[in-house]
Amino acid sequence: GDSVTQMEGPVTLSEEAFLTINCTYTATGYPSLFWYVQYPGEGLQLLLKATKADDKGSNKGFEATYRKETTSFHLEKGSVQVSDSAVYFCALRNYGQNFVFGPGTRLSVLP
Amino acid sequence: GAVVSQHPSRVICKSGTSVKIECRSLDFQATTMFWYRQFPKQSLMLMATSNEGSKATYEQGVEKDKFLINHASLTLSTLTVTSAHPEDSSFYICSARTGRGSDYGYTFGSGTRLTVV
Repeated sequence: GDSVTQMEGPVTLSEEAFLTINCTYTATGYPSLFWYVQYPGEGLQLLLKATKADDKGSNKGFEATYRKETTSFHLEKGSVQVSDSAVYFCALRNYGQNFVFGPGTRLSVLP
Repeated sequence: GAVVSQHPSRVICKSGTSVKIECRSLDFQATTMFWYRQFPKQSLMLMATSNEGSKATYEQGVEKDKFLINHASLTLSTLTVTSAHPEDSSFYICSARTGRGSDYGYTFGSGTRLTVV
């Protein structure tokens, strides 16, 4: 079945450092890919998405590119802030089907 | 935007008791609600899908008699963990589909951390 693999956390960075959270997937068909973020005490929020190969999703300084050839959707941000501390979930969804989530990666950004 | 309110955020219960988790859609009608479970360091796994006014659809391997789902109104869905045991300790989170047709998204609750002692 479909699956999503993420780098294990926690990831601890200093403020203004560069962030990469790796995500790879296995899926049939042509799924849409997503990054969700969960801030402490809150629900999952959609951070960005991409619906087809080579699409780049971006939001709040975060970016991820849908790479079909490497089945990857790595999340990047050039300069993280303390407020970016959260758990990040990579996910995929084929049309008409349910989400498949990765295990989440906890990010802690230190001032 | 669409908000799903989930309560309680944390609950500790004794083995053998039942626990109810509520998810309410605050500013929209949630005809479909999804219930997920997450074990430590593992993915969110879909447990069941509930539709207002009908029986929930459970994923393979999920005991429907143990995890009772009720979706009696368009704004409230509940998950009751019956006769809870320590192995039911987990993080439970609900999600509702918002919007119509091809213009839709998903809103998640804040999750419930259940600890059975």
